[in-house]
Amino acid sequence: SAVISQKPSRDICQRGTSLTIQCQVDSQVTMMFWYRQQPGQSLTLIATANQGSEATYESGFVIDKFPISRPNLTFSTLTVSNMSPEDSSIYLCSVVVRETGELFFGEGSRLTVL
Amino acid sequence: AQKITQTQPGMFVQEKEAVTLDCTYDTSDQSYGLFWYKQPSSGEMIFLIYQGSYDEQNATEGRYSLNFQKARKSANLVISASQLGDSAMYFCAMREIQGAQKLVFGQGTRLTINP
Repeated sequence: SAVISQKPSRDICQRGTSLTIQCQVDSQVTMMFWYRQQPGQSLTLIATANQGSEATYESGFVIDKFPISRPNLTFSTLTVSNMSPEDSSIYLCSVVVRETGELFFGEGSRLTVL
Repeated sequence: AQKITQTQPGMFVQEKEAVTLDCTYDTSDQSYGLFWYKQPSSGEMIFLIYQGSYDEQNATEGRYSLNFQKARKSANLVISASQLGDSAMYFCAMREIQGAQKLVFGQGTRLTINP
């Protein structure tokens, strides 16, 4: 299995500010994903974080709004920029473990934008 | 493109009864995996059960079983002897075995177990 540390677990933010979420894994992974879950909705993939190169964004998500970094095999960050109340969501990190191919989720970061 | 459909927004079941949560999928891939997750109000995603597209036997994990009907493209979750703690959101998801390997989720079903 893999232990995923996702921080912060929750935060309350002001409109117009930016927040960076961190995802740290205790084992080497091949794929790292970032999901958004708006209130009462399902999970939607924001992007795939690629090591050492620009993330691959899904339709409807752009780098200026959701910049992502992945400097190595076990760490990634997602920034939610210039936040509005519509960005209030749970943001989840997900990884595929290199050794087993299994997929795991972090515990999520619950953001509230006022 | 892959698509997952869960047609039951909400389900209400009496404690100790069995419950079936529906999931149908659409894909052109030959090799894929099907997942069920439980999400309590805390927000964490709890993995329940997995079925590979080439698995001949239906997957089982304790009280959870997956009724996999490949020709009908359905992967229903069966929970036997439901408990109050089973009340949560349940998501069906699909993942490519090769390629992007990302998970695509259905809309979810909110299950409520009544005492």
